[in-house]
Amino acid sequence: NAGVTQTPKFRVLKTGQSMTLLCAQDMNHEYMYWYRQDPGMGLRLIHYSVGEGTTAKGEVPDGYNVSRLKKQNFLLGLESAAPSQTSVYFCASSRPGQGAFAGYTFGSGTRLTVV
Amino acid sequence: AQSVAQPEDQVNVAEGNPLTVKCTYSVSGNPYLFWYVQYPNRGLQFLLKYITGDNLVKGSYGFEAEFNKSQTSFHLKKPSALVSDSALYFCAVRDRRDTNAGKSTFGDGTTLTVKP
Repeated sequence: NAGVTQTPKFRVLKTGQSMTLLCAQDMNHEYMYWYRQDPGMGLRLIHYSVGEGTTAKGEVPDGYNVSRLKKQNFLLGLESAAPSQTSVYFCASSRPGQGAFAGYTFGSGTRLTVV
Repeated sequence: AQSVAQPEDQVNVAEGNPLTVKCTYSVSGNPYLFWYVQYPNRGLQFLLKYITGDNLVKGSYGFEAEFNKSQTSFHLKKPSALVSDSALYFCAVRDRRDTNAGKSTFGDGTTLTVKP
C-alpha cells in the first residue's frame, strides 16, 4: 500500500550514541516533515523539507540533523543522543499548493528511548 | 505565528451519546483546519478538513466538524459515539499564506474514551 514508511519502529540508545531514522514515501509528495510526540505536548516540528536537496528548521531542531538527498526519503539524525530525546518520532508528507488540502500522511512512528 | 488549543485533555462519553472534542486556533491569516485521530501505537490518520465553503464539514467514520470564524473554533462532533471511537484526537491549523512549506501546528491532543 502507498504511504509513509518509517524505520526502525523501536530503538534503545545509550547517551552519546548516534543513529539515523529513515522515512520513505511513495506518493511523490514534495513536502516532508519530522515531528516528535511527547505526552501532554502534542506534536512539535523538528525539521522539514520542501523538496529534494532542501531542508529547514522547525520548532525544536536542536540536537537533530536532516537530509533529503532523494525526493522519496527524509532522514533524521541524532549525532549524540540525550535522554531528553526520548520520544516518539513521526514522519509526515504532503503535496504543495492545492495538494495541501489533503492534509498530511503520517508514518507509524519510531519509539526511541535514550538511557 | 499560529497555534492550536485543545482545552480538554480527556473527554468521556457513553456509547450512543453525542460527543464533542473542542479546538480553538490562532493564525495571522485565514486557516486551513484539520482533525487527525491516533489509535494506540499507530501514526496519525487524517479525519477531516476545513478549507473553504460550508462551515460544517463531514469526514470519516461519521465525524463532522463546525468551523466558527468569529469564535476561532473548529470543534469535532459525532451524533452517536461508538466504543471504537476511543482514541487520541488532534486538531491542526495551517496558515493559507504559508505557500512555502504548508507547516501545520498541532494541538496537544484530547483522549476520547467511549464507555459501553
